[in-house]
Amino acid sequence: SAVISQKPSRDICQRGTSLTIQCQVDSQVTMMFWYRQQPGQSLTLIATANQGSEATYESGFVIDKFPISRPNLTFSTLTVSNMSPEDSSIYLCSVERGLGRRTDTQYFGPGTRLTVL
Amino acid sequence: EDQVTQSPEALRLQEGESSSLNCSYTVSGLRGLFWYRQDPGKGPEFLFTLYSAGEEKEKERLKATLTKKESFLHITAPKPEDSATYLCAVQPNYGQNFVFGPGTRLSVLP
Repeated sequence: SAVISQKPSRDICQRGTSLTIQCQVDSQVTMMFWYRQQPGQSLTLIATANQGSEATYESGFVIDKFPISRPNLTFSTLTVSNMSPEDSSIYLCSVERGLGRRTDTQYFGPGTRLTVL
Repeated sequence: EDQVTQSPEALRLQEGESSSLNCSYTVSGLRGLFWYRQDPGKGPEFLFTLYSAGEEKEKERLKATLTKKESFLHITAPKPEDSATYLCAVQPNYGQNFVFGPGTRLSVLP
């Protein structure tokens, strides 16, 4: 498994401001993922972050709105920029950790609950 | 397009009343099928990975099974602490993104 921490655990922000979410993993991993989970919905992948390269964004998500940093193999940040109430969600980071079998499992952090007023 | 559906959307059980949750998938391949438990306001907690049809995994009161088109999460004699949302995800091929289902909200009443 993997031990993943996120900061902050929750925040209430004003419209138009930005929030940076931190994700720390207990050991080195190649790929880190950022997801959004809107109220009552399932998980939607925002982007994949590899160390040493630019993040890969999914359709509907852009770097200007969700800039990501990946300075080393245990840490990443996601910034939610110029926030609006529609950005109110739980933001989750995850990592892939091999189990010695044919595929890797994703393990998730505890999430950051964001409310935008 | 790869797609994962789950049923029922919500399930209410009495303590001790066994039942099953369904995860159906239409995907280009099946490298792995994953079950997670998610408590309100928390991140998903990994439960099981299944790789091929016929495989079964067990953990306490939970048992996951896999066929070529769907997976079941069987809950035997559930307790109130089993109340959570159960998510199913599929990775179609190695290196591809996980595709998550919408989840089943399970409530177990004492």
